[in-house]
Amino acid sequence: GQNIDQPTEMTATEGAIVQINCTYQTSGFNGLFWYQQHAGEAPTFLSYNVLDGLEEKGRFSSFLSRSKGYSYLLLKELQMKDSASYLCAVRGGSYIPTFGRGTSLIVHP
Amino acid sequence: GAGVSQSPRYKVAKRGQDVALRCDPISGHVSLFWYQQALGQGPEFLTYFQNEAQLDKSGLPSDRFFAERPEGSVSTLKIQRTQQEDSAVYLCASSSDRGQQETQYFGPGTRLLVL
Repeated sequence: GQNIDQPTEMTATEGAIVQINCTYQTSGFNGLFWYQQHAGEAPTFLSYNVLDGLEEKGRFSSFLSRSKGYSYLLLKELQMKDSASYLCAVRGGSYIPTFGRGTSLIVHP
Repeated sequence: GAGVSQSPRYKVAKRGQDVALRCDPISGHVSLFWYQQALGQGPEFLTYFQNEAQLDKSGLPSDRFFAERPEGSVSTLKIQRTQQEDSAVYLCASSSDRGQQETQYFGPGTRLLVL
């Protein structure tokens, strides 16, 4: 089976940097995804990591360590619109992504 | 281009009613996934199609749940004799299966409320 763990809720200040962690245990590994989901909306793709290291895309970066079963999503220069749920999803041996329960990020002025 | 669409967006059903939820994936996308998302939770996998073949239905919670994709494009998720615990958002996602990344693109979901 697969187990994915991420914090339930985080708060941060507008303009700051926040790091959302995700740890996982899977049978096989074929990539890790981060999605953003605003309340009442569909998840939207943010990043994909399959090799160790940091992937940077604008204000968002994602890091992966396969040996540690660990990833993080880094959000820089936070904006109010970044308030959302951030979902970590791992694709194991079956190639079907398994999602964590999501981290609710609250950005305040 | 057009994204994944789902209908209806909202559905209220009385307990015991049958419901049918529709998903139109992105044109040309081979893979189609159905997920169930309860409030405050991440999406839970229900079933997976590659073209018209249902390759994995291990996530369907009971035999009241049935999904099909007869022509390899539009898919329908049917729930028979709905129960209150079926109340959730049902998300459909598709992916192209081209290249390694195979990002899933999600539809807006159908919010089902069973009274």
